[in-house]
Amino acid sequence: GQQVMQIPQYQHVQEGEDFTTYCNSSTTLSNIQWYKQRPGGHPVFLIQLVKSGEVKKQKRLTFQFGEAKKNSSLHITATQTTDVGTYFCAGWGTNAGKSTFGDGTTLTVKP
Amino acid sequence: GAVVSQHPSRVICKSGTSVKIECRSLDFQATTMFWYRQFPKKSLMLMATSNEGSKATYEQGVEKDKFLINHASLTLSTLTVTSAHPEDSSFYICSIVTPPLNYGYTFGSGTRLTVV
Repeated sequence: GQQVMQIPQYQHVQEGEDFTTYCNSSTTLSNIQWYKQRPGGHPVFLIQLVKSGEVKKQKRLTFQFGEAKKNSSLHITATQTTDVGTYFCAGWGTNAGKSTFGDGTTLTVKP
Repeated sequence: GAVVSQHPSRVICKSGTSVKIECRSLDFQATTMFWYRQFPKKSLMLMATSNEGSKATYEQGVEKDKFLINHASLTLSTLTVTSAHPEDSSFYICSIVTPPLNYGYTFGSGTRLTVV
């Protein structure tokens, strides 16, 4: 079945440093979504990428979808303490009615 | 966007008892709802897809007799953990998908189940 791998599992950064999490699928995806889960909270939808090579930005967050539609990344520029949480990618297979979540990257930010 | 209400947020129960968790779509008629389980510092594990008016579709390895899902209306799905044991302690979350798909999953706030 479809597998979605996400790295790194944990990332500790100093406030102001950049952060990147990577997501790789074993199969070609129709789209990929990114979610953020704050400690003690539930996942919240951030964005969806559909097109090959697509790049989307949300303020300090940059999301990319690979040309082969099998990998994606989330980059945060100049992290802030409010960025703390676990970031999940979720890949929708081309014939799937549901998505597969990556294991998540937990970001901690030192003020 | 859609709003999903999940209750209770926390529950402690004795081993051997059953616990029911409710997931309500407040402003959208959801023919499909998803139930997940999340272990500490782990990812979301899809347990089952709940379909309004029909049987739920369970993922491989999930005991359907243990985790009973009922989706009796377009706004309510319930997950009942039967004969709970300490190993069932976990964070259970429901979600819906609202069209268009690019709104993503909307998750409930989750239920922290502790079986003692």
